[in-house]
Amino acid sequence: DVVMTQSPLSLAVTLGQPASISCRSSQSLLHYDGNTYFYWFQQRPGQSPRRLFSRISNRDSGVPDRFSGSGSGTDFTLKISRVEAEDVGVYYCFQATHWPLTFGGGTKVEIK
Amino acid sequence: EVQLVESGGGLIMPGGSLRLSCVGSGLIFTDAWMSWVRQAPGKGLEWVGRIKSNSYGGTTDYAAPVKDRFIISRDDPKNTMYLEMNSLRVEDTAIYYCTTGTVFDQWGQGTLVTVSA
Repeated sequence: DVVMTQSPLSLAVTLGQPASISCRSSQSLLHYDGNTYFYWFQQRPGQSPRRLFSRISNRDSGVPDRFSGSGSGTDFTLKISRVEAEDVGVYYCFQATHWPLTFGGGTKVEIK
Repeated sequence: EVQLVESGGGLIMPGGSLRLSCVGSGLIFTDAWMSWVRQAPGKGLEWVGRIKSNSYGGTTDYAAPVKDRFIISRDDPKNTMYLEMNSLRVEDTAIYYCTTGTVFDQWGQGTLVTVSA
């Protein structure tokens, strides 16, 4: 199975400051069809998860542009340019290139 | 607006069975591939399984921990997907979320399954 390793496990950020979350996969996520099936999800406290990005950097509807996704192969990054209070929660990376589908363990973002 | 509503969760003893339902609205359910994702208390997300649309054969795939114990099915006229869970174990305790597709663009609110003696 593809192991998705996120770092850091938790992150305390001052409001208005940037934040960055890394996700590394144990195998390349480049599919033979040329796509990379890598995604980011956000789960706010007490809520269901919500997808933020599909295929690395395609922002889902309603996701603020202070969020950005980047990376390739085995290394991916989620960045928040200026953290706001509503960004508190746990962020998960996910891959759908290889079976079985696997999530990262999550990164908890809180306000300092 | 897509809405997914799960139901059927509850307290069940180890070894028991339970069936969860997910009713979808605001989408063409007949064309939708659907998935279940679960989250143990205080833990991360875990993919459980997926069912393709019937136009793709309605075939299913499962994660190893639930394969041969869980069965996903669908009733398109009722816009409903099911998760039949058998031989339940304590480690199956989780919130079970219904999601759309294989890459989970929409999520339900989840239903809690507690397996305990």
